[in-house]
Amino acid sequence: DTAVSQTPKYLVTQMGNDKSIKCEQNLGHDTMYWYKQDSKKFLKIMFSYNNKELIINETVPNRFSPKSPDKAHLNLHINSLELGDSAVYFCASSQVLGPGPQNIQYFGAGTRLSVL
Amino acid sequence: AQSVAQPEDQVNVAEGNPLTVKCTYSVSGNPYLFWYVQYPNRGLQFLLKYITGDNLVKGSYGFEAEFNKSQTSFHLKKPSALVSDSALYFCAVRDPYNTDKLIFGTGTRLQVFP
Repeated sequence: DTAVSQTPKYLVTQMGNDKSIKCEQNLGHDTMYWYKQDSKKFLKIMFSYNNKELIINETVPNRFSPKSPDKAHLNLHINSLELGDSAVYFCASSQVLGPGPQNIQYFGAGTRLSVL
Repeated sequence: AQSVAQPEDQVNVAEGNPLTVKCTYSVSGNPYLFWYVQYPNRGLQFLLKYITGDNLVKGSYGFEAEFNKSQTSFHLKKPSALVSDSALYFCAVRDPYNTDKLIFGTGTRLQVFP
């Protein structure tokens, strides 16, 4: 059973299109995250949600809009895709919010987005 | 600013030899430190963490890490490397001002040669 699953695994699209990436976790965790990994493998957090509420919103363009229909899902919608959006996007989840030994983040396998 | 540094882009080691992947941190207060591993075309997998307590932390797949407060380091170690350990390793620290946020290093590629 995959704990944190993302779909699709690969996404190739044209500039200007709108696309979504879905993420689901079956760990019963309260908190979910989106990270972006660029071509140099640098990982940076984009968003976090706790029980469907936005907690972290790093300086991400407002073309990126996360949506959490329930605490097991955190989808990422991207409008008007640009070349610079090409990256690998990782979803993650953790049991609780804040510090503590339970706050270990578990990652999905990633979605490789290529904008042409 | 809170940060993590991994000074080596790549570490090469022969199978059976000990390995060390270096990590230093700069953070206010007591650090919460993590190591993750990324295999090709896979997501990050949690290896181990340091929150408090013993400076030597044991994790998955025979890895361990040593927390050194005076040197602000958290190096990842394994006594005997395997070819299957070849992967990208990330050190991370929890942001003390936003404890849901992990700050990652730039990653170190470990190559273990048979």
